[in-house]
Amino acid sequence: EVQLVESGGGLVQPGGSLRLSCAASGFTFTTYAMNWVRQAPGKGLEWVSYISDTGTTIYQADSVKGRFTISRDNAKNSLYLHMNSLRDEDTAVYYCVRHRGGTWDDVFDIWGQGTMVTVSS
Amino acid sequence: DIVMTQSPDSLALSLGERATINCKSSQTVLYSFSNKNYLAWYQQKPGQPPKLLIYWASTRESGVPDRFSGSGSGTDFTLTITSLQAEDVAVYYCQQYYNTPLTFGGGTKVEIK
Repeated sequence: EVQLVESGGGLVQPGGSLRLSCAASGFTFTTYAMNWVRQAPGKGLEWVSYISDTGTTIYQADSVKGRFTISRDNAKNSLYLHMNSLRDEDTAVYYCVRHRGGTWDDVFDIWGQGTMVTVSS
Repeated sequence: DIVMTQSPDSLALSLGERATINCKSSQTVLYSFSNKNYLAWYQQKPGQPPKLLIYWASTRESGVPDRFSGSGSGTDFTLTITSLQAEDVAVYYCQQYYNTPLTFGGGTKVEIK
């Protein structure tokens, strides 16, 4: 079964850091580009960051540029999101999402269940 | 950035009725070289992650019931549910993958009247 399982969410103070992880299984992780997409409570979807299948190409939303870093370990079938200088507005469910293919110009075909990040003092 | 605007924000219909959701992009998402519209639709049921319904504006994902259909080209798109079922209660999002940043519409909430 194709599966994405996120972990690492929790409560963090403004200005703090957190690292999210996503464990992929049931497919050849090395041939798919991956993303993080977030959803603030009661709000819509916001794409956060993209990483190509090889990890050589990365794109980010302006809202997180300079603060968040996406990475992957293909040997461990894992995707990560390192989040620094967290703000109240980063509070959201963070979804690990697979691109159908190896590049960014394709759809999101598999979504994890999400992990909640709450930024609050 | 390509801004995706959905309408209406919500709609309430009776079982069996036709639901029509509109999505407009601020610039074309039609790639002329391939003649493909880089537009997808997702369904998000309460408490669940989104699920891919439609891609290339009109191609149904495997396993999606044929009461769901997508149409449109360029900047104007429509998701139609021909006969609304109770299990279709959800928020529907359009999304462009024509260029980065990848952007979503604000969502349309579909409820049963």
